[in-house]
Amino acid sequence: DSGVTQTPKHLITATGQRVTLRCSPRSGDLSVYWYQQSLDQGLQFLIQYYNGEERAKGNILERFSAQQFPDLHSELNLSSLELGDSALYFCASSPPLGTASTDTQYFGPGTRLTVL
Amino acid sequence: AQSVTQLDSHVSVSEGTPVLLRCNYSSSYSPSLFWYVQHPNKGLQLLLKYTSAATLVKGINGFEAEFKKSETSFHLTKPSAHMSDAAEYFCVVSDPTGSARQLTFGSGTQLTVLP
Repeated sequence: DSGVTQTPKHLITATGQRVTLRCSPRSGDLSVYWYQQSLDQGLQFLIQYYNGEERAKGNILERFSAQQFPDLHSELNLSSLELGDSALYFCASSPPLGTASTDTQYFGPGTRLTVL
Repeated sequence: AQSVTQLDSHVSVSEGTPVLLRCNYSSSYSPSLFWYVQHPNKGLQLLLKYTSAATLVKGINGFEAEFKKSETSFHLTKPSAHMSDAAEYFCVVSDPTGSARQLTFGSGTQLTVLP
């Protein structure tokens, strides 16, 4: 158990809908990262937040957005869902900058999204 | 820019025999390198991490990896495979510069362990 929690575990929805995925980082970690894992694209970095602020963006679609709240949990919002958005979505967290392990990311169990 | 190439998409070994999963990296900087494992329907678990302190890194479950700068390689090994090692393994590089510690993942190697 990494200490990173994600809810829900599974999500089944229809095309055109909107969903929210939730992530709580490990205690003490300030960074939250979101990744998408699909069969055709592999593991892709979507976005990173550090202490409430967006820090880096990867291959995140405009239909997707995220935020990190004052209590450091994060939400990934996916809208106008398409069949191709079906994937495993992982959240990861890492220790604060200036600590020895700041580059080590600890992953949650993931949310499996199925778009029908 | 940084990248990772996992040279084998599938590796099959017999239980009790050695495991070798190959990884080559490309980075403009002295990178941090990781191996993660993903068991079926599970999240990613950190196996081990290299950060320049020692070229031979020992991880969990008997795995180790050797950083070879001249060959830009970071191969993962285990002396004796166990059935529970069957999983997908990802070699990962992290850009150590800047404040965003983005990870770049290899395409993964599926390890099958035969009885």
